[in-house]
Amino acid sequence: DTAVSQTPKYLVTQMGNDKSIKCEQNLGHDTMYWYKQDSKKFLKIMFSYNNKELIINETVPNRFSPKSPDKAHLNLHINSLELGDSAVYFCASSQNQLAKNIQYFGAGTRLSVL
Amino acid sequence: DQQVKQNSPSLSVQEGRISILNCDYTNSMFDYFLWYKKYPAEGPTFLISISSIKDKNEDGRFTVFLNKSAKHLSLHIVPSQPGDSAVYFCAASQTSGSRLTFGEGTQLTVNP
Repeated sequence: DTAVSQTPKYLVTQMGNDKSIKCEQNLGHDTMYWYKQDSKKFLKIMFSYNNKELIINETVPNRFSPKSPDKAHLNLHINSLELGDSAVYFCASSQNQLAKNIQYFGAGTRLSVL
Repeated sequence: DQQVKQNSPSLSVQEGRISILNCDYTNSMFDYFLWYKKYPAEGPTFLISISSIKDKNEDGRFTVFLNKSAKHLSLHIVPSQPGDSAVYFCAASQTSGSRLTFGEGTQLTVNP
């Protein structure tokens, strides 16, 4: 059983399209995250939700909109995709929002915008 | 502003020897540090952590050392095994918050 699963694993799309990435965790965790790993390999946090409430919202273009229908799911919708959005996006979860709690990551979604 | 730096993009060691991965940070408010390991096409997995009240934490073959005055931490793997070949990320946080700040990773290759 995959603890944190995200779909799709690969996503190839044209500039200007709208796409969504889904994430689900079966660990019973309260907090979920979206990270972006860019071409320089840095993992940077984008958003964090605790019990469906947004607690971290980094300086991310408003074309990116997270949605948490329940605490086990955190989806990422991206409007009007741009070339610079090409990256690997990782979902993660942790027991609660304290940093000392281990974050468990999904396998990543590799987004390529053509 | 890169608050966590891993200055060595890659490291190659022989099986059985010690691997030492280094990490520097600039934010003195960081008080909790973690190492994650990542294999290709997988997400990062937690390896070991250390709080700023300690200077060493050990778990099997893995030991993390923290030098607060130098704002430096290191991960020692001994003995190194080929299965340890992966990218290792250092991360730092404030225990009062939930934000992890990652370094850019070091690719470790352990040669048989």
